[in-house]
Amino acid sequence: DGGITQSPKYLFRKEGQNVTLSCEQNLNHDAMYWYRQDPGQGLRLIYYSQIVNDFQKGDIAEGYSVSREKKESFPLTVTSAQKNPTAFYLCASSSGRGTEAFFGQGTRLTVV
Amino acid sequence: SQQGEEDPQALSIQEGENATMNCSYKTSINNLQWYRQNSGRGLVHLILIRSNEREKHSGRLRVTLDTSKKSSSLLITASRAADTASYFCATDAGMGRRALTFGSGTRLQVQP
Repeated sequence: DGGITQSPKYLFRKEGQNVTLSCEQNLNHDAMYWYRQDPGQGLRLIYYSQIVNDFQKGDIAEGYSVSREKKESFPLTVTSAQKNPTAFYLCASSSGRGTEAFFGQGTRLTVV
Repeated sequence: SQQGEEDPQALSIQEGENATMNCSYKTSINNLQWYRQNSGRGLVHLILIRSNEREKHSGRLRVTLDTSKKSSSLLITASRAADTASYFCATDAGMGRRALTFGSGTRLQVQP
């Protein structure tokens, strides 16, 4: 089955900790994206990558970091510099600019 | 930045009725897409309409695009309880950022 997989589904972070959210796709897509969604809100772009070893900041990149060492993988690290990280995080991939995006099932991150 | 703004924010209708959601955006676009999100899940692509198209159909979905007014509408005909979800428009702005920008969404409740 082709698709995009996010893990874990739920994640709890203590104050001051860094955590990494996993995103893997087997759709052979060049482009991958990370979005943040707060309750009752739309999606805000954190980072995106159009090709391996290259990525760009989105609208709310502060306190987050990413890497794109493999085409299939685009992990997101939420650092201690992110002051309000509790949110629903969505990863997506697409075959290119302006094409249909395929989303994972999301990771719900809670700071405890 | 929120490129698209959906209207209304919430909509409650009876099964069998039609549901209309509107999206306004700010900049010129290559295409506009509509997505559906069930509660706590990832987004699913519904339909894409290009900037040179005015109307598109897919099953019970009808999408219109008016680039002069920078607006789009999504019509769901003969709604079903299973259509209950949030619906988002997303734009590919065609310059600079190579990622979709999402609106704030319309929460649709279809009463059986």
